[in-house]
Amino acid sequence: QKEVEQDPGPLSVPEGAIVSLNCTYSNSAFQYFMWYRQYSRKGPELLMYTYSSGNKEDGRFTAQVDKSSKYISLFIRDSQPSDSATYLCASYTGGFKTIFGAGTRLFVKA
Amino acid sequence: GAVVSQHPSWVICKSGTSVKIECRSLDFQATTMFWYRQFPKQSLMLMATSNEGSKATYEQGVEKDKFLINHASLTLSTLTVTSAHPEDSSFYICSAKTSGAYNEQFFGPGTRLTVL
Repeated sequence: QKEVEQDPGPLSVPEGAIVSLNCTYSNSAFQYFMWYRQYSRKGPELLMYTYSSGNKEDGRFTAQVDKSSKYISLFIRDSQPSDSATYLCASYTGGFKTIFGAGTRLFVKA
Repeated sequence: GAVVSQHPSWVICKSGTSVKIECRSLDFQATTMFWYRQFPKQSLMLMATSNEGSKATYEQGVEKDKFLINHASLTLSTLTVTSAHPEDSSFYICSAKTSGAYNEQFFGPGTRLTVL
């Protein structure tokens, strides 16, 4: 079992839709949870991070962590074609290694 | 935010030659840098973790004699793919870690290596 599981998609939505991206993890020691966005042939860029359980909002993006169910979510409101990318969830215990999910490819159609 | 650069962004080489990829943190000091490999439509695979001034720690299955990593300063790490073969063709991405509250990683733009 992978430590961080993520459905690779692809996920295709119309412009303006609310997008829900999800991951599950297995290691109870994970404390930090991140979402990265990666455009084709580019390095990942950090979108959001949360510490422990709870919600965090930044503009059209909301990150949610439920430690009781080991579930990580990223919601994108009013999705735009420019949001089309691969989204990677990641978790981290506070040591050195960050564990990445496989990434979900998102396509937002105009 | 912090900026990490990689050079070159794209390289083509002949089988059997060696290729060096540089990773620099431009506006911060990175005590730890990571090297990842990514195949098309797949996630990041951590190859090694390097700390400034010490030997890199390689992940299981990664040949340390083939992928030489040098972290000579707090702003520069290099990955050398020695005696490259076509199966080494991939997208190589580095990241650098700050010493902030949760040790955020900043990624470079990646280097696409094609071995003929």
